[in-house]
Amino acid sequence: GQQVMQIPQYQHVQEGEDFTTYCNSSTTLSNIQWYKQRPGGHPVFLIQLVKSGEVKKQKRLTFQFGEAKKNSSLHITATQTTDVGTYFCAADSGYSTLTFGKGTMLLVSP
Amino acid sequence: EPEVTQTPSHQVTQMGQEVILRCVPISNHLYFYWYRQILGQKVEFLVSFYNNEISEKSEIFDDQFSVERPDGSNFTLKIRSTKLEDSAMYFCASRKGTGPIGNNEQFFGPGTRLTVL
Repeated sequence: GQQVMQIPQYQHVQEGEDFTTYCNSSTTLSNIQWYKQRPGGHPVFLIQLVKSGEVKKQKRLTFQFGEAKKNSSLHITATQTTDVGTYFCAADSGYSTLTFGKGTMLLVSP
Repeated sequence: EPEVTQTPSHQVTQMGQEVILRCVPISNHLYFYWYRQILGQKVEFLVSFYNNEISEKSEIFDDQFSVERPDGSNFTLKIRSTKLEDSAMYFCASRKGTGPIGNNEQFFGPGTRLTVL
């Protein structure tokens, strides 16, 4: 089955530092989605990337989709305490079945 | 803003018992999903449902699991004979399935925490 690797598993930063999480797939993806899960919460959709090499920005968050559509990254500039949570990439099989990565847990110290 | 709802929020059951987890997807959505998340681990796909039938299921979704849309609003997950390893958070999700191509956002419910003793 489809494998989605995500690193790092965990990152602890000081408020104001940047953060990046990386996602790699064993196969070419139809599209990739990113979700955020706050502690004790449920996954919340952030964005979907569809095109090869696509870059999308949401305020301090920058999402990239690799040229080969096998990898993706999420970069947060100048983290804030409200960014705390686990960030998951999710590979879309093309039939909207999502295969989630293991997630990167982000802790931000004030 | 419309949201997916799930009941109960927490279910405790004895091993071997049947449980039914309930979800009300967003009303104009066409695709429905169940996922589970064992504590501290990743979200795992169980099953997808469209047009009143299962469209895809994972290896986890064996004969002990079933889904149903008994009416126009509810979407249920039944586990016939629970095992200890079924203890997890179960999330229901729905997707509109119409609109701009590539808009595949899934909306997750708050989850049901299932504890099997």
